Amino acid sequence: AQTVTQSQPEMSVQEAETVTLSCTYDTSENNYYLFWYKQPPSRQMILVIRQEAYKQQNATENRFSVNFQKAAKSFSLKISDSQLGDTAMYFCAFRRVFSNDYKLSFGAGTTVTVRA
Amino acid sequence: GAGVSQSPSNKVTEKGKDVELRCDPISGHTALYWYRQSLGQGLEFLIYFQGNSAPDKSGLPSDRFSAERTGGSVSTLTIQRTQQEDSAVYLCASSTGLALPTDTQYFGPGTRLTVL
Repeated sequence: AQTVTQSQPEMSVQEAETVTLSCTYDTSENNYYLFWYKQPPSRQMILVIRQEAYKQQNATENRFSVNFQKAAKSFSLKISDSQLGDTAMYFCAFRRVFSNDYKLSFGAGTTVTVRA
Repeated sequence: GAGVSQSPSNKVTEKGKDVELRCDPISGHTALYWYRQSLGQGLEFLIYFQGNSAPDKSGLPSDRFSAERTGGSVSTLTIQRTQQEDSAVYLCASSTGLALPTDTQYFGPGTRLTVL
């Protein structure tokens, strides 16, 4: 089974500032998918960004970007120009490429609080 | 429907009782997943359906847990003889069922189960 580790239980950031969340994972596979999900207090999990391991280019979605270091098995999320609505729990997740194994393996999550 | 729906939103039960949790996936999604999120924890995979069959039920914690899916749509997760350690948020997700990075898992709002 793949292990996903998020070493920062909580992060706090001032509005408009930048925060970076760390994620490392353990796998022996060469191709896989990585995701960051956001879970606000409403409990609704929302996909923030995804990265395909065979792509060297880091994924970007508006204010959200990742730093994917395949050799180091690291997948950090950077939130730029933080907004109050970014306050949520953020989960890093791993998914295998092979068929019949679509389940996501999640880290323990990082709670992000954006201060006004 | 427009999104994944789950019912009930909250469920309080007494130890030893049986409970049924319902998930209604996005129309047309063939893949359906159940995850469990214990307090302050990441998401733990329970079971995956492709159509009405469950090729991966490796995450079900005990034989008290079972799930079924009928008509390739609605799924029910049943917990028999509930225990206090079953208290958690149970999240359901659905996806198109294709092994592509764009096959995003869309989550429902979850059912918070409390076993007294």
